Amino acid sequence: EIVLTQSPGTLSLSPGERATLSCRASQSVNSNYFAWFQQKPGQAPRLLIYGASSRATGIPDRFSGSGSGTDFTLTINRLEPEDFAVYYCLQHGTSPQTFGQGTKVEVK
Amino acid sequence: VQLVESGGGLVQPGGSLRLSCAASGLNFSNLWMNWVRQAPGKGLEWVANIKKDGSEKNYVDSVKGRFTISRDNAKNSMHLQMNSLRAEDTAVYYCVAGLGYWGQGALVTVSS
Repeated sequence: EIVLTQSPGTLSLSPGERATLSCRASQSVNSNYFAWFQQKPGQAPRLLIYGASSRATGIPDRFSGSGSGTDFTLTINRLEPEDFAVYYCLQHGTSPQTFGQGTKVEVK
Repeated sequence: VQLVESGGGLVQPGGSLRLSCAASGLNFSNLWMNWVRQAPGKGLEWVANIKKDGSEKNYVDSVKGRFTISRDNAKNSMHLQMNSLRAEDTAVYYCVAGLGYWGQGALVTVSS
């Protein structure tokens, strides 16, 4: 099983700042099968990024994904109040699909 | 697009439960379907998926032999039969179409 490790566990930032979230895989992941999700309390997760770098429909361009192999990054430029949430990475190219443990972006 | 889960509830350890997911507004038969769960206060865990035509099914190791995923493309529905339930199966179970379409979840509580 591919283990995804997200860092940091918690990111404390102010609105307007940039957030950089990392996801490292225990073995190489096909970029076509790598995604990022956002989850707010009491809500289902929402797809942000698929194929490592493609924004899902309706996702603002302040969200961007990059990376390949074992290292992937989600960047959120100019944090908006609605961006404070938990973020998960997912690899879905190798069964079992696996999620990272999540990074919480909180208001500083 | 709407995905609606049903069938959740309280069940005793060792018991069974069948979750259903009713889909509308999407090309159901052209999508892999997934179940993802989230234990209270914890992260996301992929549970199982099923190919567009139902010919391939995959499971996380912890549910193999206990859970069975199925789909009915004629009725735009998917199911998860859960047997021999354990306390650690307690979670909100999400129906997921492809990557981008998620239901609101069904709570399954396994407790005596």
